[in-house]
Amino acid sequence: DARVTQTPRHKVTEMGQEVTMRCQPILGHNTVFWYRQTMMQGLELLAYFRNRAPLDDSGMPKDRFSAEMPDATLATLKIQPSEPRDSAVYFCASGSEAKNIQYFGAGTRLSVL
Amino acid sequence: GENVEQHPSTLSVQEGDSAVIKCTYSDSASNYFPWYKQELGKRPQLIIDIRSNVGEKKDQRIAVTLNKTAKHFSLHITETQPEDSAVYFCAASLGTGTASKLTFGTGTRLQVTL
Repeated sequence: DARVTQTPRHKVTEMGQEVTMRCQPILGHNTVFWYRQTMMQGLELLAYFRNRAPLDDSGMPKDRFSAEMPDATLATLKIQPSEPRDSAVYFCASGSEAKNIQYFGAGTRLSVL
Repeated sequence: GENVEQHPSTLSVQEGDSAVIKCTYSDSASNYFPWYKQELGKRPQLIIDIRSNVGEKKDQRIAVTLNKTAKHFSLHITETQPEDSAVYFCAASLGTGTASKLTFGTGTRLQVTL
């Protein structure tokens, strides 16, 4: 059963620290999405990539957030410096060219103190 | 951009009753409408989806209807069971085959009581 893998599952850090979240998409999937989930804002799209190229990062605060795909098996989301308002669950999802379905990872629960 | 509204925000039904969740979207070009179920502390999981060339789709106790003219779509769960308790999200997308970005509704917390 192929799954999207995210690490770490939980992260507690102090304000001002750098946070890196990682995502391994399902093998063969060429599209990767980063979402942030909070009680107040629900599920928000931060950025997404197709064939490793960024297609849309308009949902991402550019001053502190960055997203990359160093290779087809790894996507990263970095926050530097982190702030308490960044506390949320960050989900990665991947999809293929064959059909318009996104599969979500288990998420990274981030707490910034 | 696309805007998706979802109602109600919470829904409580008795086991065996039906549940209906409604969503409206703003972009008439949207053509793909998935529904995700998220149990507490878990990842969102696709439960059913519908494309704009179809008016209704059913999978066992779950059905989705789409009204393109009115730009709304609904999730229907019949014979609800306690394991149906979760948060349900609707979404809309302009995807035509390849995975495209989704705009999500704000979610409906469904509670099925015994």
